[in-house]
Amino acid sequence: DSGVTQTPKHLITATGQRVTLRCSPRSGDLSVYWYQQSLDQGLQFLIQYYNGEERAKGNILERFSAQQFPDLHSELNLSSLELGDSALYFCASSVVGGVGGQGSYNEQFFGPGTRLTVL
Amino acid sequence: GQQLNQSPQSMFIQEGEDVSMNCTSSSIFNTWLWYKQDPGEGPVLLIALYKAGELTSNGRLTAQFGTTRKDSFLNISASIPSDVGIYFCAGQPSAGGTSYGKLTFGQGTILTVHP
Repeated sequence: DSGVTQTPKHLITATGQRVTLRCSPRSGDLSVYWYQQSLDQGLQFLIQYYNGEERAKGNILERFSAQQFPDLHSELNLSSLELGDSALYFCASSVVGGVGGQGSYNEQFFGPGTRLTVL
Repeated sequence: GQQLNQSPQSMFIQEGEDVSMNCTSSSIFNTWLWYKQDPGEGPVLLIALYKAGELTSNGRLTAQFGTTRKDSFLNISASIPSDVGIYFCAGQPSAGGTSYGKLTFGQGTILTVHP
């Protein structure tokens, strides 16, 4: 158990709908990351938040957005869903996330993931 | 998106054999991480490397940070059935810029261990 929790475990929805995925980082971690894993694209970085602020952005679609709340949990919002959005979505957390500190403070620990199926 | 070149894509070995896999990149990384993922689960961190040339062990696992900072290697000695899974390398860029925190992942090595 990495200490990172994600809900829900599974999500089945229809095209055009909107869903929200939730992540709680490990206790003490300030940085949260979102990744998408699909068969054809592998594990792809989407976005990072550090202490409530957006820190880095990857291949995240405009239909997707995220935020980190004052209690440090994060939500990933996916809207106007398409069939191709079906994937595993992982949240990871680290102590500092590239802001500073020794190397181990940047190690990312992953949650169990949310499997999204768009029908 | 950018991917690391990880090889081999899959390996079928007998229990007790040693395993080697590697990752190469056209970009320099500040940190190399190796993860293992079981089906339906999240990646689990195995080993982290922070300095070029560094060699680090975790039980039967040994990983090295390449001297050019563009590659890394993972070795598993005396494999056992529970080593089965997908192994991923991941690189983290140097400090600065807008992508410092992101990890770039290899495509994974699927390991099958026959008893």
